[in-house]
Amino acid sequence: SQQGEEDPQALSIQEGENATMNCSYKTSINNLQWYRQNSGRGLVHLILIRSNEREKHSGRLRVTLDTSKKSSSLLITASRAADTASYFCAPIGSGNTGKLIFGQGTTLQVKP
Amino acid sequence: DGGITQSPKYLFRKEGQNVTLSCEQNLNHDAMYWYRQDPGQGLRLIYYSQIVNDFQKGDIAEGYSVSREKKESFPLTVTSAQKNPTAFYLCASSIRKDRWNTEAFFGQGTRLTVV
Repeated sequence: SQQGEEDPQALSIQEGENATMNCSYKTSINNLQWYRQNSGRGLVHLILIRSNEREKHSGRLRVTLDTSKKSSSLLITASRAADTASYFCAPIGSGNTGKLIFGQGTTLQVKP
Repeated sequence: DGGITQSPKYLFRKEGQNVTLSCEQNLNHDAMYWYRQDPGQGLRLIYYSQIVNDFQKGDIAEGYSVSREKKESFPLTVTSAQKNPTAFYLCASSIRKDRWNTEAFFGQGTRLTVV
């Protein structure tokens, strides 16, 4: 299956702390994408990391990719209350059928 | 402004009626998708289309139908055969670069309620 599985399902931290969420997948990939969803809204693309990349940064976001373990992690540093949202990963398989599939996501709550 | 637009934002349907959800994009994207999201759950793929006049079933296509007559438009019809249609529906589009999906853009969703 091309679907990623996010872990943990839920995460609650204090403002200013770092948040780490993980994504595991089963097939070889071309790229892996992370998205955020605020309650009742559409998803917003955060970052795309290609299979030949190991780490990528965007502002307070850091994404790592370990293709040997078929896993990726998203780190949000110095979290803010506004980071409260659900986060989803989407692995894009090397034998891409055109599907874009998401897992159950990680729900992050950042307490002020 | 470029983007992807879903309408309406809220939709109420009587049991036994078909209803069509609109999704329009002006991003010149080839690929478009429809997802269903139930409370506290992830997204489940209903249908997707990589090119005009072509579309494929996703994981939960039963009770739904789509068309892709224009690049900009990918309407979803929820038929009376869908047993539990009350849900939040999301449409997305993306560029396919060298065969692979890149960044997807999502609409703001349509919340369908069967009354």
